[in-house]
Amino acid sequence: DAGVTQSPTHLIKTRGQQVTLRCSPKSGHDTVSWYQQALGQGPQFIFQYYEEEERQRGNFPDRFSGHQFPNYSSELNVNALLLGDSALYLCASSLGRLGVYFGAGTRLSVL
Amino acid sequence: AQSVSQHNHHVILSEAASLELGCNYSYGGTVNLFWYVQYPGQHLQLLLKYFSGDPLVKGIKGFEAEFIKSKFSFNLRKPSVQWSDTAEYFCAVNARGDDKIIFGKGTRLHILP
Repeated sequence: DAGVTQSPTHLIKTRGQQVTLRCSPKSGHDTVSWYQQALGQGPQFIFQYYEEEERQRGNFPDRFSGHQFPNYSSELNVNALLLGDSALYLCASSLGRLGVYFGAGTRLSVL
Repeated sequence: AQSVSQHNHHVILSEAASLELGCNYSYGGTVNLFWYVQYPGQHLQLLLKYFSGDPLVKGIKGFEAEFIKSKFSFNLRKPSVQWSDTAEYFCAVNARGDDKIIFGKGTRLHILP
């Protein structure tokens, strides 16, 4: 039984570009949450998707958007990348409200 | 707004020493509490969680945590650490009915062999 899987593992982009990160939840899970973990910090909640809709959003600008597909997988999109967007992006999945099982993350570097 | 404070940013211990990592949260309502561990090069793993019931929670790898509601604390303990416990530890809180988990900044634990 695969856990939460994320792709790609690493990504390098330049300022102003757009990026898409992908997440497949743990088998049987229907809810996906996204977190940003900057260097030396704990993860910060970006948003959560359930039944293909954004259920709750953290304190992140509209440049951060997402999508959930009918198979429960999810994408995180970030537009107009800034240097400060460099971080580890984590996906968490759950059956129900709390996303407690995390993937290994995608490390995004913005140059 | 909810917040989590972890007392120590970096802790160094020798093998077999006892461990206690402090965690305090601020939120007036009912909460769920978590400790996560991130081993070098690995993903965030759930160590233990408290939702309700016995405030002394036992997790994996010999870790335990005690929820003291009056002190808004959820300290992590282990009687005897091993070199393999070297990792970063995150305390986290979730308000009941909310979807987001709020994390502390983490404590980097280094165990000397």
